[in-house]
Amino acid sequence: SQQGEEDPQALSIQEGENATMNCSYKTSINNLQWYRQNSGRGLVHLILIRSNEREKHSGRLRVTLDTSKKSSSLLITASRAADTASYFCAAGRGAGNMLTFGGGTRLMVKP
Amino acid sequence: KAGVTQTPRYLIKTRGQQVTLSCSPISGHRSVSWYQQTPGQGLQFLFEYFSETQRNKGNFPGRFSGRQFSNSRSEMNVSTLELGDSALYLCASSLENPLLNTEAFFGQGTRLTVV
Repeated sequence: SQQGEEDPQALSIQEGENATMNCSYKTSINNLQWYRQNSGRGLVHLILIRSNEREKHSGRLRVTLDTSKKSSSLLITASRAADTASYFCAAGRGAGNMLTFGGGTRLMVKP
Repeated sequence: KAGVTQTPRYLIKTRGQQVTLSCSPISGHRSVSWYQQTPGQGLQFLFEYFSETQRNKGNFPGRFSGRQFSNSRSEMNVSTLELGDSALYLCASSLENPLLNTEAFFGQGTRLTVV
């Protein structure tokens, strides 16, 4: 079973608007990662935030992590049609590189 | 630098058969993980290999197995296929960081259909 829950499950916005996706997890983590997937293909790594970090930026992406609430959010600013994809959060914990994924948010950006 | 390569990309098998999927990690990556993705269960961790040893294992039956070779290439095998094994199987490779997890680089996946 998945450790994380994401909301919303689906999000539809206009180009230029911001998109916010939320992720919650159940047990302690080493880091929280966000991935993007286009049409059932491979996942592309977007950003990794470690458990001792609270906020991280990468281009138009901003990720926050609140370990007290066991939650994270991904903000995509000034969205583009090319951002249309499914976005997944993944919790990294323990030794090794095992990831526990959330259910994902399907984002549609309309031109 | 070549990415993670998975072969084959598509596969159709009959119930009861067995299948072997292959994954070549990014050069220099010694950790290889496998995931199953289905519409109903989402992305689920199967197992992780590092230096030819299974380091982590998910909650899958023994019909699912894997191995890693000395060149870090990995294979996973599913025996006695069931209809529910139809899924996208994703392989990911990572650099090894002894202290913390690192980002995973995913292949394009093998789409397995069991009929």
